[in-house]
Amino acid sequence: EPEVTQTPSHQVTQMGQEVILRCVPISNHLYFYWYRQILGQKVEFLVSFYNNEISEKSEIFDDQFSVERPDGSNFTLKIRSTKLEDSAMYFCASRDRGLYEQYFGPGTRLTVT
Amino acid sequence: GQNIDQPTEMTATEGAIVQINCTYQTSGFNGLFWYQQHAGEAPTFLSYNVLDGLEEKGRFSSFLSRSKGYSYLLLKELQMKDSASYLCAVRDKGRGSTLGRLYFGRGTQLTVWP
Repeated sequence: EPEVTQTPSHQVTQMGQEVILRCVPISNHLYFYWYRQILGQKVEFLVSFYNNEISEKSEIFDDQFSVERPDGSNFTLKIRSTKLEDSAMYFCASRDRGLYEQYFGPGTRLTVT
Repeated sequence: GQNIDQPTEMTATEGAIVQINCTYQTSGFNGLFWYQQHAGEAPTFLSYNVLDGLEEKGRFSSFLSRSKGYSYLLLKELQMKDSASYLCAVRDKGRGSTLGRLYFGRGTQLTVWP
C-alpha cells in the first residue's frame, strides 16, 4: 500500500539554525499539508499546498517557515531560524483529488536545543 | 473560530464497547474525521462523516449530528491494541480554500485493560 514517507525521523538542531524537513507524498496525490504536534498537545495545521503554491496557512506559519515542491516527488518544510518552541513532531500529509482522507507520514521529531 | 472538545481519558476492558464523544463549534463545517494515534506515531484515518447519521466500518462506527455539533466514535469488541489516542478533527471550509484544513481536538487517550 502506498504511503507518505518523511526524513529524517529525528532532527536535533541548535537554536538559530536552519532546518529542512523532507516529505515524499503518495505519488498520485495533488494536495499536501504540514502539521505539527508539540509533545502532549494537539495536532495543529501549518500549511496546505496545491499546484505549486500555498493554499492556506495558519497563524503559526510565519515568515520563518517556507514550503517548496522542488521536484515531482519531494515536499519540504524549511524553518529559517529555529527557536526552542519549534521543538515538535512535524507531520506531512497528502490527499488525492476528489477524496477526503489525508494520509499522514510517520513524522519528523525536531528537537531545538 | 473552531472549538473541539473530547474527553481526555477513558478506560475499558477487553471485549467491551466504548463510545468516545466529540462536540465542536465551527464557522464552516465541511466534514468530521476520527483518527487513531499510537504514542510517537502518525495519526491513521478511521472514519469520515459529512452527513448526519451512522457510518459503520467493522468494529468501528462513527455518528454525526450537525445540528447538535456532536459526533461519537463507537469501538466494539475492544482489543488491547486499541489502546491509543483517538483524535476528533473537523474540516473547515476555510478562507476560500478548497483543500480543507483540519482542526484537531486534544485527543482521548483510551486504555484497554485485559
